Amino acid sequence: AQKITQTQPGMFVQEKEAVTLDCTYDTSDPSYGLFWYKQPSSGEMIFLIYQGSYDQQNATEGRYSLNFQKARKSANLVISASQLGDSAMYFCAMRGPGNSGYALNFGKGTSLLVTP
Amino acid sequence: ETGVTQSPTHLIKTRGQQVTLRCSSQSGHNTVSWYQQALGQGPQFIFQYYREEENGRGNFPPRFSGLQFPNYSSELNVNALELDDSALYLCASSLAGTGIYNSPLHFGNGTRLTVT
Repeated sequence: AQKITQTQPGMFVQEKEAVTLDCTYDTSDPSYGLFWYKQPSSGEMIFLIYQGSYDQQNATEGRYSLNFQKARKSANLVISASQLGDSAMYFCAMRGPGNSGYALNFGKGTSLLVTP
Repeated sequence: ETGVTQSPTHLIKTRGQQVTLRCSSQSGHNTVSWYQQALGQGPQFIFQYYREEENGRGNFPPRFSGLQFPNYSSELNVNALELDDSALYLCASSLAGTGIYNSPLHFGNGTRLTVT
């Protein structure tokens, strides 16, 4: 069975600084996708970035990058130049054949607070 | 492009009652899935529909049921409500067949259900 672990319940970062949110995963499937979502207090889950299990390069999307270390089964999210609007919950998730219907399997999330 | 919309946004029900939540998929998406997010937790997969048939289900009892309509909109029905059913219910849509592992789910804002 797939499992996603996010060990940081809460993180603080100062505006304009970079922050890394940790995610480790466990799966026996060779093919899978890793996703990061942002959830503001409004509740909507906003897709940020994707990394495939066979991708050789780390994914990047604007200020977001994914530090993918396959051998260590980690997929950390790096947010550069933090902004006040980045304050939200962040969820790491995995999609693969081990889940019924290829559903997303989420971690418990990390709450990020960006301070001025 | 129209995003995923859910209704109602908030709902209060009494234990034992039945509830129906509604979702309109993002334009062009043919797969819809539902997730339950309890307070302080990551979303948990309930089930997924493709071509009006359930094609994946999480660890939820049969009193959680759903429908998908020809226009790809969907309903989540919960019978015999329990206090633990209080949660944010998220609907997500995607396009099947475009690369299952790298296809992100697009979520709505959710329906917050309170059972008293």
